[in-house]
Formats: sequence, structure tokens, C-alpha cells
Amino acid sequence: QKEVEQDPGPLSVPEGAIVSLNCTYSNSAFQYFMWYRQYSRKGPELLMYTYSSGNKEDGRFTAQVDKSSKYISLFIRDSQPSDSATYLCAMSGEAGNMLTFGGGTRLMVKP
Amino acid sequence: DAGVTQSPTHLIKTRGQQVTLRCSPKSGHDTVSWYQQALGQGPQFIFQYYEEEERQRGNFPDRFSGHQFPNYSSELNVNALWLGDSALYLCASSFWGGTATYEQYFGPGTRLTVT
Repeated sequence: QKEVEQDPGPLSVPEGAIVSLNCTYSNSAFQYFMWYRQYSRKGPELLMYTYSSGNKEDGRFTAQVDKSSKYISLFIRDSQPSDSATYLCAMSGEAGNMLTFGGGTRLMVKP
Repeated sequence: DAGVTQSPTHLIKTRGQQVTLRCSPKSGHDTVSWYQQALGQGPQFIFQYYEEEERQRGNFPDRFSGHQFPNYSSELNVNALWLGDSALYLCASSFWGGTATYEQYFGPGTRLTVT
């Protein structure tokens, strides 16, 4: 079993929809949680970062961490075709340490 | 402000050969991490360099080695290539010890194909 599990999708939604992306993990030592967006044939781009449990909002994006359930989520409001990409969750036990990634969820937002 | 740069963009090698990939970190960053991303998978951590020393290592064989130079740039070397090494190799840089130590910025990657 992988340390970080993520539904591979693809997830297809109409433009303007609210998107929910999720990851589960097994290592209780993880404290730093990140979401990256990766366009085809590009490197991952850091979207959101959360330390420990709680919520964080940045524009159309909201990240949630529930350490008691070992479950993290990324919500995208008013989704746009430009949001079409693969979304990767990543986590680490200490700041700056190795990141453990999920397998990524491919999102397609249709106009 | 230049971000993380990697060279070459693409590379084709034959089984058994050796390859060297290069990475220049984002300006102001002193830590470089290398990841391997197979097609359709998430990146897997190879190792991290700080102050020219390997600081952390993932579950990769000794065929994978690296180096960090005084200007913080880094190389990833892979010996005795085999087909399973075909992947996108990503370099990420960060600044160790700052308030944003968690921020790892990724380069565009080097796509390695082993035939």
C-alpha cells in the first residue's frame, strides 16, 4: 500500500463547477501538506501549502487538512478550462524535507 | 528572476550507458532535490543536496548519484541505465532554514528515454 493515495481520475467537470480533490495518507508523521498543479510536459507548480490541520484559502482555491482522519482536500471554485491539469498532493514530516507525492488526479474542465 | 532551470530537455540513451543531468536552482536558493516521475505517476524522491552534501536519500540504488557545486547547482548521474529508468527527472530548489523552507520550486524536468 502506498503512503499517499490519490484517485487518478480523470475527473471531468463543466466550467464554473466546484471541484473537490482528495488524498489519504498513512504516515502520521506528516505535518506539511502541499498541492501542486502540473500541466502536461511541465514541472509541478506549488499551489497551496498547509501546516498541520486546518483550512487555508487563496483566491478560488481552498486547502483542508484533517490529521485525525489522515485526509486532505483541495477545493477549486468557479473552475476554468485553464485549470485542466494534473493535481498532485505532497507531504513531508519536516519543512524542507523530502516530499512524498500522491499519484496525481487528472482534471478536465470543459467549456 | 530565473526560476529553476534544467538541461538537457530531452535525452535518449541506450541500456548500460551513463547519463548526467544538470540543474540550476532558483536565485537565492541553496538546497536542491531530485525526483523521478514515471509516466502517469507522482514524483518519487531520489535525494537532496545542501552545502554540497547529500542530506537525504530516497529508496534508489547506488547507480543514482549526485553532486552539488559551490554555486548551488547540481548534477544527477545515473550509471548502467536500464529501461525502467525512462522517466521525467525533476529538480526542485528551496532555501534551507528560512520561513518558507517548505517551498520547493520545480524545474521543467529532463525527459530521459532508455532504449
